[in-house]
Amino acid sequence: KAGVTQTPRYLIKTRGQQVTLSCSPISGHRSVSWYQQTPGQGLQFLFEYFSETQRNKGNFPGRFSGRQFSNSRSEMNVSTLELGDSALYLCASSPGMIYEQYFGPGTRLTVT
Amino acid sequence: DAKTTQPNSMESNEEEPVHLPCNHSTISGTDYIHWYRQLPSQGPEYVIHGLTSNVNNRMASLAIAEDRKSSTLILHRATLRDAAVYYCILRPLSQGGSEKLVFGKGTKLTVNP
Repeated sequence: KAGVTQTPRYLIKTRGQQVTLSCSPISGHRSVSWYQQTPGQGLQFLFEYFSETQRNKGNFPGRFSGRQFSNSRSEMNVSTLELGDSALYLCASSPGMIYEQYFGPGTRLTVT
Repeated sequence: DAKTTQPNSMESNEEEPVHLPCNHSTISGTDYIHWYRQLPSQGPEYVIHGLTSNVNNRMASLAIAEDRKSSTLILHRATLRDAAVYYCILRPLSQGGSEKLVFGKGTKLTVNP
């Protein structure tokens, strides 16, 4: 089985722009979660989707949003980018209601 | 979210056993103990989880204290590939169906050749 894939792997954007990141979960997995990783704050939970519904949301401003499609693929969007949004964005999938989550390699976003 | 406490860093020699401790004194009866690790330039990777009894899998063993206030991840023979940040995470049995993981700062394991 192919693992979790994330595109693009690297991205450079300018302050004020918006960005969309994509995540394709493992085939058959219905749950997708997103995390932000920075040197200062570590790994922080952004939000989680299950069967196209947002099931949980972390403590991030409304500029961060996401969605999940009927094929379980997920996107996250960040509008009005700030320098502090520079981070590694990780996506994880699971079949749902099971214990292991499978992480993708992440998208490295740099905001200049 | 229940908290875990881990040493910031540990060192080991190749082919020796490694014991990575985790304290979770506020654990509740329905919290599972999960371990993930993150190798350099990769996303986190599931290692093992348990509730009350010690657990073994092909990657590691998990020893859980009788009072469940602490646990130890055991790598039986460390290899250079085991150099990573190891995260001990408490995950409630039920959190409204959510799969959310709360990561602490973890333990950075260095393996010396």
